[in-house]
Amino acid sequence: AQSVAQPEDQVNVAEGNPLTVKCTYSVSGNPYLFWYVQYPNRGLQFLLKYITGDNLVKGSYGFEAEFNKSQTSFHLKKPSALVSDSALYFCAVRDSGTYKYIFGTGTRLKVLA
Amino acid sequence: SQTIHQWPATLVQPVGSPLSLECTVEGTSNPNLYWYRQAAGRGLQLLFYSVGIGQISSEVPQNLSASRPQDRQFILSSKKLLLSDSGFYLCAQTGLYGYTFGSGTRLTVV
Repeated sequence: AQSVAQPEDQVNVAEGNPLTVKCTYSVSGNPYLFWYVQYPNRGLQFLLKYITGDNLVKGSYGFEAEFNKSQTSFHLKKPSALVSDSALYFCAVRDSGTYKYIFGTGTRLKVLA
Repeated sequence: SQTIHQWPATLVQPVGSPLSLECTVEGTSNPNLYWYRQAAGRGLQLLFYSVGIGQISSEVPQNLSASRPQDRQFILSSKKLLLSDSGFYLCAQTGLYGYTFGSGTRLTVV
């Protein structure tokens, strides 16, 4: 069965510092991996995805994520955090053989000025 | 480009009243459609998904139902709302490479 874990409920980081939001997954086939961001009372917005190819994926707003097959991880990173990056971040996985996407429980990122 | 329209944006309903939330999509045909609920601003729970007209899969037993009367229309319903139905409801559609989400409906059952 598919599953996704975001082990941190909240991540605090100072503005200008690098940030990492962690995600690990479990699928039986090949994973399709995604990161989404949600601002208060809004729908989710797509940040980036990994389907195949380069393990380092670059996305919107300066975010990137690294697919690590051996560790079954897809951590979200940004070299220099902005206060405006403060939001709720969701990792999602889809097994290549199914229609269903499974979301993690979300990690609240707080960037402090 | 693909667009999802979801309404209403907010809704306050008394316990025991019916519910109908509508979602329509543009810019694609035969989309896979999904209803999610997000409680207390956290994790997303998949409620229903549909791969075609009249085809509904339910992920969790609950007080809600879904219907897909047209290719680009997905409706979430309840005959009698419970307090526990309060939450933020999101419609989504997907192609091969990820989701597009609607803007959400915040439902408060009082």
